[in-house]
Amino acid sequence: DAGVIQSPRHEVTEMGQEVTLRCKPISGHNSLFWYRQTMMRGLELLIYFNNNVPIDDSGMPEDRFSAKMPNASFSTLKIQPSEPRDSAVYFCASRPQTTFKYEQFFGPGTRLTVL
Amino acid sequence: DQQVKQNSPSLSVQEGRISILNCDYTNSMFDYFLWYKKYPAEGPTFLISISSIKDKNEDGRFTVFLNKSAKHLSLHIVPSQPGDSAVYFCSGGSQGNLIFGKGTKLSVKP
Repeated sequence: DAGVIQSPRHEVTEMGQEVTLRCKPISGHNSLFWYRQTMMRGLELLIYFNNNVPIDDSGMPEDRFSAKMPNASFSTLKIQPSEPRDSAVYFCASRPQTTFKYEQFFGPGTRLTVL
Repeated sequence: DQQVKQNSPSLSVQEGRISILNCDYTNSMFDYFLWYKKYPAEGPTFLISISSIKDKNEDGRFTVFLNKSAKHLSLHIVPSQPGDSAVYFCSGGSQGNLIFGKGTKLSVKP
């Protein structure tokens, strides 16, 4: 039973480059979340989708960040252009449509380093 | 402004003793609180939750206490084991979303 899959697990890039992070949610889950973890801010919600539709993107830092969910089994988070302050661990999480509306299942994360 | 605060970045306890992790919140609209546990190089995993209408929930060695008047909750682990060493995130749930604290790193010494 596969969990949430994220790729790549590690990404090192140079300032100004485009970065694309990928996520495959658990099959059958209808909500998907992107988080960013830093020492300063902890675990922040960037955006979440429900049934492939973006519901709340108020956590997206700025226009350099964009996220898409073209179908129920795939989502991307893109940073263009990347900056050193974007260095963080990015998590994707999914949630089934159940009576308990809060439990989310996290992927292993992508550690992004922008030089 | 932080809606969920974990004021202790780290905590160290001896194996077999009780671990108490604290969390404060400001948002009165939270209807659920969840604790997540995170090991290095892994994503957070759900540990235990409590509804805002309860004051205690217990699951094996883990108990969460909620004091609504003080807007405070705590996670008790007893007895603590070395395998409990991890980062623990407190979160509040409102309208289907979770707001997380910064986490507390627990170290359980053998």
